[in-house]
Amino acid sequence: QQQVKQSPQSLIVQKGGISIINCAYENTAFDYFPWYQQFPGKGPALLIAIRPEVSEKKEGRFTISFNKSAKQFSLHIMDSQPGDSATYFCAATNSNSGYALNFGKGTSLLVTP
Amino acid sequence: NAGVTQTPKFQVLKTGQSMTLQCAQDMNHNSMYWYRQDPGMGLRLIYYSASEGTTDKGEVPNGYNVSRLNKREFSLRLESAAPSQTSVYFCASSPAGWGEQFFGPGTRLTVL
Repeated sequence: QQQVKQSPQSLIVQKGGISIINCAYENTAFDYFPWYQQFPGKGPALLIAIRPEVSEKKEGRFTISFNKSAKQFSLHIMDSQPGDSATYFCAATNSNSGYALNFGKGTSLLVTP
Repeated sequence: NAGVTQTPKFQVLKTGQSMTLQCAQDMNHNSMYWYRQDPGMGLRLIYYSASEGTTDKGEVPNGYNVSRLNKREFSLRLESAAPSQTSVYFCASSPAGWGEQFFGPGTRLTVL
């Protein structure tokens, strides 16, 4: 049973545009919400993460927006670049499972020149 | 500092064969994890070890066993491989608690 639902499955954005990926969760015990970026043939790598005490976190062109009451969070990539083309996974976790990650199914992002 | 290393990188097995996937980290992390990645399914947790000497089942543990050999090493064993275990396997480690998990490069396993 997927504990984190992610959409869209794929996304095409023009260079300079904004990419938006959405995730929703049910388990209110989750207390850490990271986003991972994966390039073909590589392992995932942490992009940015947020805890539910804050509603937004920004790191460079990447922003997480977090809505605790709606149990939703999203990743915004501003000024998207072709080098951002990758698969993005949202995840959620807490101490109940040793902070093992519950991943969404992923979003394949293509940024066209 | 190699981070998380996994061996082998590729493996082809026949149904019923056994094998062990090796994982090691040199970051002195307490927690280690095994995930499998299948197309359209994201990554799913197989087993994890929150600290040396402990292991626990994840979402999809059937057909697998694990050993936390020491703080550095966490192996995944397939006792009798099945075609449904064809996947890419990732090992990850983290210091403890919530925080960044560092992933290895993966092992691509095909079971015929």
